Amino acid sequence: QKEVEQNSGPLSVPEGAIASLNCTYSDRGSQSFFWYRQYSGKSPELIMFIYSNGDKEDGRFTAQLNKASQYVSLLIRDSQPSDSATYLCAVLPSGSARQLTFGSGTQLTVLP
Amino acid sequence: DGGITQSPKYLFRKEGQNVTLSCEQNLNHDAMYWYRQDPGQGLRLIYYSQIVNDFQKGDIAEGYSVSREKKESFPLTVTSAQKNPTAFYLCATDSEGLLNQPQHFGDGTRLSIL
Repeated sequence: QKEVEQNSGPLSVPEGAIASLNCTYSDRGSQSFFWYRQYSGKSPELIMFIYSNGDKEDGRFTAQLNKASQYVSLLIRDSQPSDSATYLCAVLPSGSARQLTFGSGTQLTVLP
Repeated sequence: DGGITQSPKYLFRKEGQNVTLSCEQNLNHDAMYWYRQDPGQGLRLIYYSQIVNDFQKGDIAEGYSVSREKKESFPLTVTSAQKNPTAFYLCATDSEGLLNQPQHFGDGTRLSIL
């Protein structure tokens, strides 16, 4: 069973702080990694994806991938109340071109 | 306006009834997917299709059926065999596989039992 684990939270950070969201995965051969944001009652929307070791930055968001440690994280700088949502980590396992495995999500609350 | 359209937004099923959820896309994407999300949980794959007239079971296909007669459309039927259908159903598409490109989602259909 290929698994993706996230701390369910809730994670609370003050406005303007850095929020750090973490995800670990069991399949060492996993290929691509995605972060989605999901507001309550809405569908997931893509924040970032990464497939090489290291950091990838897009505005206030940075994705970090460490394949040796089987760990992917999402950092949100200058957190805003509008960032309050559930963040889903999704992983493309080895041997698959189409079947993502999703974590159960981390609920983030940014306090004004 | 390009995108993925799911309908209806809310759906209610009576005992023993089959219901069909619609997913239409005008993105010219080859692959389409159906996921189920239960409260506080991640997404679980029901079925996916990479080309017209072909589809594969995902992790939780029992009690569901699909068809892919047109590239633009991938309807999901929740049959009476699915004993716990209450969930949020999400349709997604992608164009080149997931090695280098992400999936994008429709707005979802929320299904409840009457």
